[in-house]
Amino acid sequence: GDSVTQMEGPVTLSEEAFLTINCTYTATGYPSLFWYVQYPGEGLQLLLKATKADDKGSNKGFEATYRKETTSFHLEKGSVQVSDSAVYFCALVYYGGSQGNLIFGKGTKLSVKP
Amino acid sequence: NAGVMQNPRHLVRRRGQEARLRCSPMKGHSHVYWYRQLPEEGLKFMVYLQKENIIDESGMPKERFSAEFPKEGPSILRIQQVVRGDSAAYFCASSPSRATGELFFGEGSRLTVL
Repeated sequence: GDSVTQMEGPVTLSEEAFLTINCTYTATGYPSLFWYVQYPGEGLQLLLKATKADDKGSNKGFEATYRKETTSFHLEKGSVQVSDSAVYFCALVYYGGSQGNLIFGKGTKLSVKP
Repeated sequence: NAGVMQNPRHLVRRRGQEARLRCSPMKGHSHVYWYRQLPEEGLKFMVYLQKENIIDESGMPKERFSAEFPKEGPSILRIQQVVRGDSAAYFCASSPSRATGELFFGEGSRLTVL
């Protein structure tokens, strides 16, 4: 079945460091891909998305490019801030099969130190 | 607040009791999803409902768990005869249409079973 694999955390960075969180997926079709973020004690929020190959999603300085050839959707940010500390989830939805349910990776916890 | 509202935010139950979790979707949203987040794990899909209909319950445990989304009122996730392994955060999400992957999450209900 469809699945998402994220790099294991936690990831600890200093402020202004470069961030990469790896995400790869397995799907039988052509899913849309998402990054969601969960701040402490809160629900998930959509961070960015990409709906087809070579699309780049971006928001709040974060970017991710849909790479069909490597089945990847890595999250990047050039300069992280303390306020970016959160858990980041990669997810996919396959319109054809899963009724629009999101399939999530296990999440990667990011801690940014001042 | 026009967001997804979940209550209670925290619920403590003893083994064998019943837990009822409520979710009011965003205004205009008729699609509701329930996810469970176990400690140190990602979110697992449980059930997808539209008004008065269960569309996909493939992630629901076969026993003790049930969900509804009546014509009037909130969606309810019901867990009968709770056990310690049911302790988790339960998140509700809503969307205005199916299969978009863009879900709006509530802040979650954290169930603790003593």
